[in-house]
Amino acid sequence: EAGVAQSPRYKIIEKRQSVAFWCNPISGHATLYWYQQILGQGPKLLIQFQNNGVVDDSQLPKDRFSAERLKGVDSTLKIQPAKLEDSAVYLCASSLGHGTSSSPGELFFGEGSRLTVL
Amino acid sequence: GEDVEQSLFLSVREGDSSVINCTYTDSSSTYLYWYKQEPGAGLQLLTYIFSNMDMKQDQRLTVLLNKKDKHLSLRIADTQTGDSAIYFCAESIGGGYQKVTFGTGTKLQVIP
Repeated sequence: EAGVAQSPRYKIIEKRQSVAFWCNPISGHATLYWYQQILGQGPKLLIQFQNNGVVDDSQLPKDRFSAERLKGVDSTLKIQPAKLEDSAVYLCASSLGHGTSSSPGELFFGEGSRLTVL
Repeated sequence: GEDVEQSLFLSVREGDSSVINCTYTDSSSTYLYWYKQEPGAGLQLLTYIFSNMDMKQDQRLTVLLNKKDKHLSLRIADTQTGDSAIYFCAESIGGGYQKVTFGTGTKLQVIP
């Protein structure tokens, strides 16, 4: 079974430039997450999709970040314009959705996209 | 609101037991998880416990859950150098959709 694919793995840009990250989740996974992981910290949820729709974007800085999930499959996360504090690893994860007594609702993560803003 | 806290760093000798602790604040969590992150990689589920359990054992791993104190721990028996990684505690809050909140992470260093 193919895992969660993300690209690019690394990106270096200057502040005020724009960047886009792409994620292809595991086939059949209804839920897709974008997390931001700043060095030395835990992942922070930016946005969560259930199929096509956004179910949580409460921590997404909407003045500069945007995300979409095309046809309920692939997703892109865009930052425009980037700030120095956006330097982080952007992790995409997918899951089947709800946990049940027999299935813990495991999140499957991609390897992440490391962004450096100079 | 949700807040998941962990100590930042733990160092143990190879062969000893490791205990990583976590506290959480949301009493409505349905599942609690331990994820492992190796350098340059994404997170991978290590083990989990359903909120109506208080203990789960899985080979070298023992998870203890104290719901009254909102405290979760992970014990790794006979710790090996390959266990060196960052361990994240996470909680899942159910409802209309599953929201998963991660802790700050504990870096485990295993000394040969």
